[in-house]
Amino acid sequence: GAVVSQHPSWVICKSGTSVKIECRSLDFQATTMFWYRQFPKQSLMLMATSNEGSKATYEQGVEKDKFLINHASLTLSTLTVTSAHPEDSSFYICSARDRREYQPQHFGDGTRLSIL
Amino acid sequence: GQNIDQPTEMTATEGAIVQINCTYQTSGFNGLFWYQQHAGEAPTFLSYNVLDGLEEKGRFSSFLSRSKGYSYLLLKELQMKDSASYLCAVMDSNYQLIWGAGTKLIIKP
Repeated sequence: GAVVSQHPSWVICKSGTSVKIECRSLDFQATTMFWYRQFPKQSLMLMATSNEGSKATYEQGVEKDKFLINHASLTLSTLTVTSAHPEDSSFYICSARDRREYQPQHFGDGTRLSIL
Repeated sequence: GQNIDQPTEMTATEGAIVQINCTYQTSGFNGLFWYQQHAGEAPTFLSYNVLDGLEEKGRFSSFLSRSKGYSYLLLKELQMKDSASYLCAVMDSNYQLIWGAGTKLIIKP
């Protein structure tokens, strides 16, 4: 089945550090990848939609300068949390949609980010 | 606006059957998905319906009625490991997924 690899699984770092999270589709081509954030006991919140070769589309309230997204190839998208602060601590999950029609989104295992 | 409704929480007994309902109002429709999410983990894909009717996959079945904007996920022979949140999501006319808030299913022995 389709596999999406997300790294790292856990990040603990100091306030002010920038953190990069990678999302790879391993056995299919993904023209579109999605970045979500989920706080404890809350729903998934879509942060941005990443399209290969073009600028990401950010949801309302998500700072594009804070959360940098790069989707340089059909199999890789990265999210960089710049100058992270404790309030950025959350569970970040990427998903990728197979470019073929009527395919589900497949999720990575998520990255648990803790900013001290 | 776009809206997905599903119950917040349900409780069922091990070995029993449970039905989780989902109603939706979206801009266009390109299919409805069900995902399972265990606490602290990412969602995993369960089922996809784009035509009316029932799709069966082992102990899990999913039903869709497009005219009613309604779907349900049916779980049979419940096991303790089925305790999780179940997310309903609809793909709209722009191929974006609109997510429900999820139904937390609690299985009791």
